[in-house]
Amino acid sequence: GAVVSQHPSWVICKSGTSVKIECRSLDFQATTMFWYRQFPKQSLMLMATSNEGSKATYEQGVEKDKFLINHASLTLSTLTVTSAHPEDSSFYICSATDPGTGTLAGELGEQYFGPGTRLTVT
Amino acid sequence: GQNIDQPTEMTATEGAIVQINCTYQTSGFNGLFWYQQHAGEAPTFLSYNVLDGLEEKGRFSSFLSRSKGYSYLLLKELQMKDSASYLCAVMDSNYQLIWGAGTKLIIKP
Repeated sequence: GAVVSQHPSWVICKSGTSVKIECRSLDFQATTMFWYRQFPKQSLMLMATSNEGSKATYEQGVEKDKFLINHASLTLSTLTVTSAHPEDSSFYICSATDPGTGTLAGELGEQYFGPGTRLTVT
Repeated sequence: GQNIDQPTEMTATEGAIVQINCTYQTSGFNGLFWYQQHAGEAPTFLSYNVLDGLEEKGRFSSFLSRSKGYSYLLLKELQMKDSASYLCAVMDSNYQLIWGAGTKLIIKP
């Protein structure tokens, strides 16, 4: 159980174009999803927290107009990188929490990660 | 500020035991998590400690001392497939996960 899928697994795009990444919880309803970015040999950097039916909460320094997040349903969240540039090339990973599995801290901390999307902007 | 410290890299031998330490300073504490991340893949959840003591789960155990701001992940009977990065993360008082930079564990035959 608690499987999260992510699509696409990798994408190459030209500078100035937009890329959409989908994150789906396959066998549970995820009220909260997280979007991370990870550069080589670095740890996860939380970009935003996405709650179904409401606006995403962005971390400091993350441009909300550049990284558009939509959490339209309990099983789907999307991240759109608009006007991508080479410095946006990174490994983007989503995660989801399965509510009702225990304490709030346990639920929010035990995150189920998607396989990640490797974005290369040329 | 909030800070998670863990060694950058460790090397161990197949079949042996290794202990990966993590110290933290955070605004409040709502639990400590360990994740495993193989190269090029997403992290997978290993353990969650919120009370002091040792939690054992198969070959992996995780220890927490809240008074010392300290945790360790103990891996026994090491296998080659255990070669990965191990991420320590602490949930602060705002229920935000603060991630460490990870410890790359290299297993040698």
